[in-house]
Amino acid sequence: DGGITQSPKYLFRKEGQNVTLSCEQNLNHDAMYWYRQDPGQGLRLIYYSQIVNDFQKGDIAEGYSVSREKKESFPLTVTSAQKNPTAFYLCASSRTGISETQYFGPGTRLLVL
Amino acid sequence: DQQVKQNSPSLSVQEGRISILNCDYTNSMFDYFLWYKKYPAEGPTFLISISSIKDKNEDGRFTVFLNKSAKHLSLHIVPSQPGDSAVYFCAASSNNQGGKLIFGQGTELSVKP
Repeated sequence: DGGITQSPKYLFRKEGQNVTLSCEQNLNHDAMYWYRQDPGQGLRLIYYSQIVNDFQKGDIAEGYSVSREKKESFPLTVTSAQKNPTAFYLCASSRTGISETQYFGPGTRLLVL
Repeated sequence: DQQVKQNSPSLSVQEGRISILNCDYTNSMFDYFLWYKKYPAEGPTFLISISSIKDKNEDGRFTVFLNKSAKHLSLHIVPSQPGDSAVYFCAASSNNQGGKLIFGQGTELSVKP
């Protein structure tokens, strides 16, 4: 089945630690996105990539980094510089990066110990 | 500045009746609008979309209406079912922003039997 997978479902981070969230898609989509959801709020864009080996900052990129070495993979690293990392992280993809429907993965809940 | 707003955080409707969820936007460059449904601890599921060249799009029990002059869109669910209970997000994008989705804060719909 085609879809978007995210792992792990839950992730715990210690103070000063970098952690990486995985996102894989087998939909052959060019564009991929990372969003963050906090309680009572909408989704906010962290980073997005419209094509392999290229990515752009979203609205809240500080403290995060990404890479796009393969079309199907778009991992997100939450660095120690992100002071409030506890949130629900959602990965999405779309066929192209131009006004298209985005499809979401199941999400990763990140908690700080 | 919140470009996409859902001013009602919650809505309660009786089973079988119509649910109307509202969304307002400020950016006149938005050309594509979407509605997503989200259960707790899951990724959003795409419901229905509409291009700015249309004013109505229908898919089964779901209809989205777009009023460009008022910068307003709405989602109608008829008839409402208990399984429709979830948080609904509207989102908007424009080609000149690389297809990034801007989300509203969400409206929690509760359909009571």
